[in-house]
Amino acid sequence: QITLKESGPTLVKPTQTLTLTCRFSGFSLTTSGLAVGWIRQPPGKALDWLALIYWDDEKRFSPSLKNRLTIAKDTSKNEVVLTMTNMDPVDTGTYYCVSSQGRLEREPFDIWGQGTMVTVSS
Amino acid sequence: SYDLTQAPSLSVSPGQTASITCSGDDLGNKYVCWYQQKPGQSPVLVIYDDNKRPSGIPERFSGLNSGNTATLTISGAQAIDEADYYCQAWHRRAVVFGGGTKVTVL
Repeated sequence: QITLKESGPTLVKPTQTLTLTCRFSGFSLTTSGLAVGWIRQPPGKALDWLALIYWDDEKRFSPSLKNRLTIAKDTSKNEVVLTMTNMDPVDTGTYYCVSSQGRLEREPFDIWGQGTMVTVSS
Repeated sequence: SYDLTQAPSLSVSPGQTASITCSGDDLGNKYVCWYQQKPGQSPVLVIYDDNKRPSGIPERFSGLNSGNTATLTISGAQAIDEADYYCQAWHRRAVVFGGGTKVTVL
């Protein structure tokens, strides 16, 4: 059974850097074809894709946010870490960790974590 | 950038058919997924590859994708189907979501 769980600060100040960790179980990111990513959702608004990292360390980023994002994996810990710099109140929302299988640019996000709420405020 | 457009809301009577549309340039040449999100919960995949249902998703959920429009159909809508629905596709190495459609069953 695949599970993903997000962790990180619930409150960050404007201009700070957000670091979120996704710990997963039920698979290894050394397995060909697998990927883990991040999607966020401001309160009452739509889903917004952020980043994805593949088993072979290829990374994909949202074009509008790529200058603020980094994503990395630690396969020994079954973790994926997302960092977002220069946080702003508009970045407030629930951040989800997701998994997918394949790299044909058709794969769905079939497993979602429970999400972690991040508020950006001074 | 690439946009996927969904109507903000849709109402359907119990037992009737709900058709939720998602529009985008040449969308029919991409693969579309649909997610269902109930209040306070994480999204759940209900359709992938335009028209495939993951295990455990009821048969009343179906999908079509042609031209510039993808459609998620709920045949015989039930109260438990009341939720937000999001379409998603890939465009030029990036993931795009639609703005979501709130489906009310009443």
